[in-house]
Amino acid sequence: GENVEQHPSTLSVQEGDSAVIKCTYSDSASNYFPWYKQELGKRPQLIIDIRSNVGEKKDQRIAVTLNKTAKHFSLHITETQPEDSAVYFCAASIYGGATNKLIFGTGTLLAVQP
Amino acid sequence: DTAVSQTPKYLVTQMGNDKSIKCEQNLGHDTMYWYKQDSKKFLKIMFSYNNKELIINETVPNRFSPKSPDKAHLNLHINSLELGDSAVYFCASSQVIGVGTEAFFGQGTRLTVV
Repeated sequence: GENVEQHPSTLSVQEGDSAVIKCTYSDSASNYFPWYKQELGKRPQLIIDIRSNVGEKKDQRIAVTLNKTAKHFSLHITETQPEDSAVYFCAASIYGGATNKLIFGTGTLLAVQP
Repeated sequence: DTAVSQTPKYLVTQMGNDKSIKCEQNLGHDTMYWYKQDSKKFLKIMFSYNNKELIINETVPNRFSPKSPDKAHLNLHINSLELGDSAVYFCASSQVIGVGTEAFFGQGTRLTVV
């Protein structure tokens, strides 16, 4: 089955710096890669996603890149702000058909120091 | 008009008891899930239902029994609760067949077994 590895487990940056979180997946059939942000005590919420026919996607300060050959995908946050502090999860899934099994990475605790 | 709602939000119970967590979604999605988030924040899939049918059962002890009376509801019943069952349980839903496959999460149920 699908396995998703995520690094680093914790990341501390200064406000204004960039943050990068990396994930690798095992199932080459995976075609959907979302990123979720979970603030303390809250539910995970989607911040950006990318499908396998796209190499990069950007939404304001956040961007995601996908390397299908290497089975890597990364989240990039630029100009970090204290409100970006949260746990970030990558996930991989094969969508379409009868199943949509989102497998999550182990999470990255991002702390943005003011 | 909460999209995915689960009750209760907190549940404290003694070992050996049986308890249920309810989940409802009003998004018209055809797939619902239960995830377990342990103290290390790992988000692990437990079950996936598509149109009331069990699609995924991730080697969860048979003390856990999901039930989907219709595609808008997915309840989780747990028998003979153990200390190791203490965690936050998240319900989620998504649309498998369609343009987007974002999973929307409920607010979580923090289960504490004493």
